[in-house]
Amino acid sequence: EVQLLESGGGLVRPGGSQRLSCAASGFTFSSYPMAWVRQTPGKGLEWVATISRDADSTYYADSVVGRFTISRDNSKSTVDLQMTSLRADDTAIYYCAKVDSTEPFDYWGQGALVTVSS
Amino acid sequence: DIQMTQSPSSLSASVGDTVTITCRASQTITYYLNWYQQIPGKAPRLLIYAASTLQNGVPSRFTGSGSETDFTLTISSLHPEDFGTYYCQQSYSSPPTFGRGTKLEIK
Repeated sequence: EVQLLESGGGLVRPGGSQRLSCAASGFTFSSYPMAWVRQTPGKGLEWVATISRDADSTYYADSVVGRFTISRDNSKSTVDLQMTSLRADDTAIYYCAKVDSTEPFDYWGQGALVTVSS
Repeated sequence: DIQMTQSPSSLSASVGDTVTITCRASQTITYYLNWYQQIPGKAPRLLIYAASTLQNGVPSRFTGSGSETDFTLTISSLHPEDFGTYYCQQSYSSPPTFGRGTKLEIK
């Protein structure tokens, strides 16, 4: 059974940093790209970042480029999202998602709430 | 970015009804269209990918169709557990983008 478990959410001040981590199990982690997708009541579902299977390629939404960094450790089956220079509009539930070979997000974690507020 | 427009934004139906949700892309996405279901408090769940392929474990009462810019999700013989919000998403080009969702309420 595929399982994705996020951790690291919480309250952070504007301008601060936060690191999310996602632990994966139930599939061959190194064979699939992984992504982060966030959700807010106002903007709905928004793709944040994707990392390739071997981490040699990363892709970011324009709204986070230069501030967020996605990384992975295939030996530990984990994918991280380092977030810096956080703003109020980064407040969201952040989901870790497995990317199928045909590009849909076929499995999602339970989500981690990040609240950016003073 | 490719814009995804869903309609209706909400609908109410009874158990046993058949409902259809539409999704329109702002440019052609061939068949790179995916549908997700989200129950309140839960993560989205992939239902259909590549416009019409049912994800493993998804009941056959869910069907997807369409190509290029116009797509539909049909749920036949609604079950009570089908309430929630449905999203379409294109995976044709980066960035992947989602529709704003269709909230399905069970009467």
